[in-house]
Amino acid sequence: DVVMTQSPLSLPVTLGQPASISCRSSQSLVYSDGNTFLSWFQQRPGQSPRRLIYKVSNRGSGVPDRFSGSGSGTDFTLKISRVEAEDVGVYYCMQGTHWPPAFGQGTKVEIK
Amino acid sequence: EVQLVQSGGGLVQPGGSLRLSCAASGFTFSNYWMTWVRQAPGKGLEWVASIKQDGSEKYYVDSVKGRFTISRDNAKNSLYLQMDSLRAEDTAVYHCARFVREPDYWGQGTLVTVSS
Repeated sequence: DVVMTQSPLSLPVTLGQPASISCRSSQSLVYSDGNTFLSWFQQRPGQSPRRLIYKVSNRGSGVPDRFSGSGSGTDFTLKISRVEAEDVGVYYCMQGTHWPPAFGQGTKVEIK
Repeated sequence: EVQLVQSGGGLVQPGGSLRLSCAASGFTFSNYWMTWVRQAPGKGLEWVASIKQDGSEKYYVDSVKGRFTISRDNAKNSLYLQMDSLRAEDTAVYHCARFVREPDYWGQGTLVTVSS
């Protein structure tokens, strides 16, 4: 099974400053059709998860453009250009290329 | 607007059974894979099971194989998770989600507590 490893697991950030989360997979996430099924989710306290990014770099519906995704193969990054108070929560990467789907451990973003 | 409204859940004794339901609206249910994801208290997200559009393919995480059954009724736009032989480690919030190689829309979640 594919193992997803996120870092850091805790990320204190200053409002208005950028933030970056890394996600690595134990094997390539490139599917046979050329797509890479790596997505990012945000879970605010007490809420259900929300999809932010799909296929590495595509923002979901209604997702602010301060969120961006990048990467290829086994190394991926989620960036927040300027952190806002509403961005507090836990962020997860997830791979959907190989069965079974797998989530990273989660990265807790908090305001300093 | 895509909506997934969950019902079921609650407190059950070890070894007991429970059935979760998820009512879908706002999209053509029969065109999509569907999935269940769970989150144990204070823990991360764990994929549990997925089902193909017509129900012909089903996949499960190893820890629930033989105990949980995912199913769907496309005529009722509904997804189900039958959970049997429940264990304490199955205690979690269970989310249904539409699945397009990842969950793109999520239900509100329902708490399942397995305890005597």
